[in-house]
Amino acid sequence: AQRVTQPEKLLSVFKGAPVELKCNYSYSGSPELFWYVQYSRQRLQLLLRHISRESIKGFTADLNKGETSFHLKKPFAQEEDSAMYYCALATDSWGKLQFGAGTQVVVTP
Amino acid sequence: EAQVTQNPRYLITVTGKKLTVTCSQNMNHEYMSWYRQDPGLGLRQIYYSMNVEVTDKGDVPEGYKVSRKEKRNFPLILESPSPNQTSLYFCASSPSGRGSYNEQFFGPGTRLTVL
Repeated sequence: AQRVTQPEKLLSVFKGAPVELKCNYSYSGSPELFWYVQYSRQRLQLLLRHISRESIKGFTADLNKGETSFHLKKPFAQEEDSAMYYCALATDSWGKLQFGAGTQVVVTP
Repeated sequence: EAQVTQNPRYLITVTGKKLTVTCSQNMNHEYMSWYRQDPGLGLRQIYYSMNVEVTDKGDVPEGYKVSRKEKRNFPLILESPSPNQTSLYFCASSPSGRGSYNEQFFGPGTRLTVL
């Protein structure tokens, strides 16, 4: 069965420090992976997807099929990065989207 | 403004009293989906719809019903709510029928408490 694991419930980092959010998945087919973010008092929104291979707000994520991982990274965290981050996996069914449990990021000055 | 709306935003009810949470989008999106969010579990998909009159189960469909009679609306129905359905519910939509492969746009959430 498909599964998304985010091992860290909470990440606390200082402003300017690097931040890495881990995401591991289990799926035997060809995955589509996403990072969604929910800022305080805002709606859940897409941050980035692996197929785009782009950097959004300084964040990047690389799909590593060998390690079945899609970790999210940013070299210098900012206070506005404080939010809840969810990794999500779409499978060949096109309709189903599975989310991880989420990682709360707190960036302190 | 292009958006997904949900009503009500907050609801407290009692066990067994049927309720409906409405979801509407004004973006002419093909795909719509319902999720519930619980602490420590993240978002779990309840039902999704790739187009009008086409619905399918997500990971946690038990105790819920949906219908998609028109493109813009995707109501979530709890025929006989139970306390374990107390949760925060999100509706989402996406432009194409391959909804899970594309960006999903989320509603503001409905906090449901079942006593």
